[in-house]
Order: sequence, then C-alpha cells, then structure tokens
Amino acid sequence: NAGVTQTPKFQVLKTGQSMTLQCAQDMNHNSMYWYRQDPGMGLRLIYYSASEGTTDKGEVPNGYNVSRLNKREFSLRLESAAPSQTSVYFCASSSSTDTQYFGPGTRLTVL
Amino acid sequence: QKEVEQNSGPLSVPEGAIASLNCTYSDRGSQSFFWYRQYSGKSPELIMSIYSNGDKEDGRFTAQLNKASQYVSLLIRDSQPSDSATYLCAVTPPNNTDKLIFGTGTRLQVFP
Repeated sequence: NAGVTQTPKFQVLKTGQSMTLQCAQDMNHNSMYWYRQDPGMGLRLIYYSASEGTTDKGEVPNGYNVSRLNKREFSLRLESAAPSQTSVYFCASSSSTDTQYFGPGTRLTVL
Repeated sequence: QKEVEQNSGPLSVPEGAIASLNCTYSDRGSQSFFWYRQYSGKSPELIMSIYSNGDKEDGRFTAQLNKASQYVSLLIRDSQPSDSATYLCAVTPPNNTDKLIFGTGTRLQVFP
C-alpha cells in the first residue's frame, strides 16, 4: 500500500516548455487535489476533483490544467511554464471531508 | 483578512515545555478543523482533527476549538526536538466541504 505517489520528484524546465505531473493513490479515495507551496504562502489549492469525472478550480488555477484519468490518477499539466510556477507541488487524496493524505511532492524549477 | 491565519514564528520552546500554537479563521460556519505537521523538505501529515467545541487529546497533543471566538489551537506537551517542524492549520469552508483552506503555518523550534 503505497498511499499517494507523485512523479517526477524533481524537474527543471525552461520558460515555455510543457510538462505533466502525475499523481496516483491506491486508497480508493474519491477526492484528489493539487496544491502548490511557496515560501510564506502556505499550501494553495490549484485544482481538485471531488469524484471521478469531475474537476473544479481552486484558489490559483491559472496556467494549469488537470485530468482525472480514473479513480486512482489525477494529473496536472503546465502547458507553457513560467518562472512564477517555480514551486513545490503536492498531490493529496481523501475519502470524504476528512483527512487528506499527501504525496511526497514535486520540486519544479522554471528557468 | 486571510481566511485562516497563523503566526509564522518561529516559536522557540525548550525541551520538555508546552508549545502552544494558535490559528484563527474568518468563516464562522466552518465545521472541520485540522492540524498538519510538516518537516522541512517533506509533505504535510495529519496529527489532529477536531469538529466540536472543547478539547481533544491524543498522546502529547491537545487540540482546542472555540467556534464562538473562531480559533483553534494545538498544545504539545513535553516538547521534544523531534517536534521541530512547521505546523499547518486547515479549515473546511462551510460552502464547500470538499476542500481545505490552509494557513501559512507556524514554525516550531524545540531546543535541548
């Protein structure tokens, strides 16, 4: 039982490049989330998916797209990366309104 | 006004002391409250959840909730150097219970 897994762990991009961050959970959770964490800003919600087939914007969705591929997987795509998207990205999942379990994070640097 | 506010710290306490971490929230209708611990370079992990007014104890940790005053606190008794981390307060907004709003966290340092 791996919990929440994320790939890659580290990534360096040039401005304008695209990439997809992958997230998977094996806890049969309905809800999945993408956050970014910047110094002094705390965790900010980018997008979330309350159930398979649905996605909703969070606090900072601009510049990102998401896909809930199935119940297990929730990906985050940066179509044209910008230096302002340099951050640590966390995926999380939960079964209801209760505990969210976090993945190990992806450290992204955009040059 | 931020929806969930925490003092960024650092809060420095000696080993064995009680560490008191505070959090205030702006939406009076919030119902669910959580404390997460995050070690440097790691992901957040849940240490306490609380839903009703009063105290909830779990080992060395006690969460306190006062909905009338809109604050939630976390007490860590017999603080250890291993408790040194950033503590994040999170609240479920009443209009959307599918998500959490996080505070910016309080950094706790426990010195020997």
